[in-house]
Amino acid sequence: NAGVTQTPKFRILKIGQSMTLQCTQDMNHNYMYWYRQDPGMGLKLIYYSVGAGITDKGEVPNGYNVSRSTTEDFPLRLELAAPSQTSVYFCASSYWDTDGNTIYFGEGSWLTVV
Amino acid sequence: DQQVKQNSPSLSVQEGRISILNCDYTNSMFDYFLWYKKYPAEGPTFLISISSIKDKNEDGRFTVFLNKSAKHLSLHIVPSQPGDSAVYFCAAMSGYSTLTFGKGTMLLVSP
Repeated sequence: NAGVTQTPKFRILKIGQSMTLQCTQDMNHNYMYWYRQDPGMGLKLIYYSVGAGITDKGEVPNGYNVSRSTTEDFPLRLELAAPSQTSVYFCASSYWDTDGNTIYFGEGSWLTVV
Repeated sequence: DQQVKQNSPSLSVQEGRISILNCDYTNSMFDYFLWYKKYPAEGPTFLISISSIKDKNEDGRFTVFLNKSAKHLSLHIVPSQPGDSAVYFCAAMSGYSTLTFGKGTMLLVSP
């Protein structure tokens, strides 16, 4: 089972460059998320989506954009990279059942902006 | 304002002993709580969860306790094993909201 797959694993960007972090899931989950984790901090939500065509801002959306054209894919776009966006990025997906919401994470993308 | 707090950045335990990881929350609307485990260079993996209608949930060596009046939950690992060494994140949500994570506690289990 692939689960949640995100690419690239590592990337170094120059200030002002743009890039897209790709994320795909094969579990047919409606909910998808992008989190970032800074050193010594918890995960902070950037954007999330409750289904294809629907996205919403999380706690730290500035400097990012997302789209959700299919259930499987949820790419995260950085338009003008800044050093403050140096972080580890995690894509995730989830489903709801009678017990609640269990989120499954990808392995992470390490991004450095220099 | 941190709604989910893990006040211990790290915890060291000997193999075979009990590990107790603590988490406090401030939002009384939270009704579902999860623990995630994270190894270096990997994504967080789901460990165990508990709904606010329960005060205990057990899964093998892992037990989560919820004290709603104190807005406190804890994760017990018994017996602790070296492979349990990781960062543990507490997370909470209310209704159909998104998850709010704590900063994590690094657990080190020594042989």
